[in-house]
Amino acid sequence: GQQLNQSPQSMFIQEGEDVSMNCTSSSIFNTWLWYKQEPGEGPVLLIALYKAGELTSNGRLTAQFGITRKDSFLNISASIPSDVGIYFCAGQLRGSSNTGKLIFGQGTTLQVKP
Amino acid sequence: DAGITQSPRYKITETGRQVTLMCHQTWSHSYMFWYRQDLGHGLRLIYYSAAADITDKGEVPDGYVVSRSKTENFPLTLESATRSQTSVYFCASYGTGEGMGLFFGSGTQLSVL
Repeated sequence: GQQLNQSPQSMFIQEGEDVSMNCTSSSIFNTWLWYKQEPGEGPVLLIALYKAGELTSNGRLTAQFGITRKDSFLNISASIPSDVGIYFCAGQLRGSSNTGKLIFGQGTTLQVKP
Repeated sequence: DAGITQSPRYKITETGRQVTLMCHQTWSHSYMFWYRQDLGHGLRLIYYSAAADITDKGEVPDGYVVSRSKTENFPLTLESATRSQTSVYFCASYGTGEGMGLFFGSGTQLSVL
């Protein structure tokens, strides 16, 4: 089936550092979504992107829809301990109807050292 | 409260028993989903539904049954639970238009002994 390659798999950083993660695919997407999951909870939607080249921010988080439509990036600036969690990318393939049937990346586990 | 709720949060059962996980959403979203999450496998789609009385298989449907008699409810049943079905189960609903996105419940942690 279709796959999203999310990297890195995990990150262990110092508080205050910036974080970057990305998702890539060989397929073209018309929607990219970024989620955060904390222990014992469901994934929470952080940012949604709908157009190639779109750059959207949510506080210290910024995500971009790649120009090629095959990738997306998430940046977290000035990380804090509560940023800890698993970050997932998800995409809806171009040509698929708007059903919410998404393809998920494997997640990036972020740990922040105070 | 508005949103999507799952019950129970935790469930322990024995092999061979029938188990039903409940999911309720208050947004009137048409699309609803069931995922399971296991270490090393990420989120895998079990079943989804486009509307009341319309359901379809996802990536890993074997051993599961769903129904959707009302738009707001989407229960997942394990007809005869197996140990390989020990997992965390998430229900989600998809909203279109303003606020579009896939929204998840808090999950049900199921252990099959």
